[in-house]
Parts: sequence; structure tokens; C-alpha cells
Amino acid sequence: DAEITQSPRHKITETGRQVTLACHQTWNHNNMFWYRQDLGHGLRLIHYSYGVQDTNKGEVSDGYSVSRSNTEDLPLTLESAASSQTSVYFCASSDSRAASTDTQYFGPGTRLTVL
Amino acid sequence: GEDVEQSLFLSVREGDSSVINCTYTDSSSTYLYWYKQEPGAGLQLLTYIFSNMDMKQDQRLTVLLNKKDKHLSLRIADTQTGDSAIYFCAENRDDKIIFGKGTRLHILP
Repeated sequence: DAEITQSPRHKITETGRQVTLACHQTWNHNNMFWYRQDLGHGLRLIHYSYGVQDTNKGEVSDGYSVSRSNTEDLPLTLESAASSQTSVYFCASSDSRAASTDTQYFGPGTRLTVL
Repeated sequence: GEDVEQSLFLSVREGDSSVINCTYTDSSSTYLYWYKQEPGAGLQLLTYIFSNMDMKQDQRLTVLLNKKDKHLSLRIADTQTGDSAIYFCAENRDDKIIFGKGTRLHILP
């Protein structure tokens, strides 16, 4: 069955370190998204991609970067982790075909703690 | 940008109906969605409605859409303990999905 996975599921790191969160989907979806979820803010879009070599900034992109070298993966990198980036991170993907409903399929999340 | 608005909490007695309300922002949204998030998990699509419909029913779920008022609601009949979760209203806008902050549904015994 097609799925979307994230790793690691839990990560503790220190301020200033570089951290990469992995996202892998086997839906063969062109669109992929990264969100962070925080109390009182709901889901906020960090970065997104509509296909290989395409990346776009979302509403809270500062301090994060992504790259899309293939269809299946969209890793999220925190260049220099800050305590404000402690959050739960969700990756999602969706079908870009015209007949699709734009439904997003979510990974299980990565809980990141920055000390 | 403008927000998708929904109340943050709802408490309902087991067996009663739950109604979760939402106001969205973009009258040109093609689809409107309800996602469910259980503790410790990602969001899962519960149901969606196409913008040219005003009602959609799926077993215990009823979605009502009022395009004039940009109002979307989700009714869960015979609410059960397994319905305890956070429910997110969402709209598609500019090839992205815009989510509300979520309504936490608490089931009272």
C-alpha cells in the first residue's frame, strides 16, 4: 500500500545544530508539504514543492530549507536549530492531476525538541 | 492572509450529535475539507465537499455548506468515545490547503 513516512519520529537536539527531518512518500505525488503544529497556531506551512527541483516558501519558512531531488522525498533542514523551532512537524503530499481533489495525505509527524 | 476560523473546543455527551462549525475565506475554493487528528497521529481526511454541493452525508457524518455565508459545518450523529479528536476545517486556495486551528472534541460519559 502507498504511504507517507517520516523519520525520526522523535528528535532532541541542541541550539545551533543542523537537523534534517526526512519525509518519504510512495504515492507518486508531485506535491509535497511541510507543516509545523503548535498549540494556539494550528498547522502552519513551512515549505512546499510542486515537483522535482521545485521548492517554495510557506508562511513560516525562516530558519528552514528543503530540497527536492526526486519525487518521493522532501527533506526539511533546520540550518541552526533554535528553541523556537521546538514543535511537531508534519509532512504531507497530494496529487497534482487536474481531476484530483487536492486531498493531502499526512505522515505520522516528527516531534522535535531543541534544548 | 485571512484565516479559516473555527471554535477551539466542543464538549458533547456520548450518544448526542456533535456540530463543529467553520467559516472560510475564499469563495472560489473548489473543495472544502474536514480532517481528523487523533492523539499522537497525523491528520486524516474525514470527508470533503465540492463547492457546488450544499450537503454531503456519509454514514454518521453530515457536511453542510453555505456558500453565501462561507460557512461549513460537520455534524457527527450518535457521538462515540472514538470520535474524541481534533477536527480541522480546510479550504483549497492557490493550490494549497489552508487549515483552521482545529476544534478539540471532548466526549462526556
